[in-house]
Amino acid sequence: QVRLQESGPGLVKPSETLSLTCSVSGGGFTSGESYYNWVRRPAGKGLEWIGRIYSGGSTLYHPSVQRRATMSIDTSKNQFSLRLTSVTAADTAVYFCATVRLPEDYFDNWGPGIPVTVSS
Amino acid sequence: SYDLTQPPSVSVSPGHTATITCSGDALGETYVSWLQQKPGRSPVVVIYHDSKRPSGIPERFSGSNSGNTATLTITGTQTLDEADYFCQAWDVSTGVFGGGTKLTVL
Repeated sequence: QVRLQESGPGLVKPSETLSLTCSVSGGGFTSGESYYNWVRRPAGKGLEWIGRIYSGGSTLYHPSVQRRATMSIDTSKNQFSLRLTSVTAADTAVYFCATVRLPEDYFDNWGPGIPVTVSS
Repeated sequence: SYDLTQPPSVSVSPGHTATITCSGDALGETYVSWLQQKPGRSPVVVIYHDSKRPSGIPERFSGSNSGNTATLTITGTQTLDEADYFCQAWDVSTGVFGGGTKLTVL
């Protein structure tokens, strides 16, 4: 059973950079069976897909964050990460890491989520 | 960007059938997943590929997708089904979620 766990700061100042890491356990990290995604949910709003990275390092981002988001992957540590620059209060949300199972292309595993607040 | 539209809320009595819709241009030409999220919990997929149930999801959950509308149906709704439900699709490999529907069972 694949397990995911987000880590990172819970509070980030406006205009600074948010950095989150997702640790993956339970196997399959480099088998090519999944894409690795970040999704967020602001309070009172719906889910927002941020982007995804494949084990080979190729990335795809939602247009709304494309200029500010960077995802990376470290297969030796079974981790993937998100950096979001120039954050504002609109980036306040619970951030989830999640895997998309291939080839079925659906979200099959999620981390518990980490709340992030952007405030001075 | 591609938009998926859901009703903000749906109410159903226990034991009855709940229907949640998701609308988007030519949505029937792509696969749709449905995710359930309860307060303080991570989302869980209940339907993928329009109508398939992952292992462990009860048979009362079913889905369909045709034309511009995908539908999640919960037959014999239980109080534990009360949650937010999101449809999800891929638009040229970009993830898209519907705005979500709050299902109230009362």
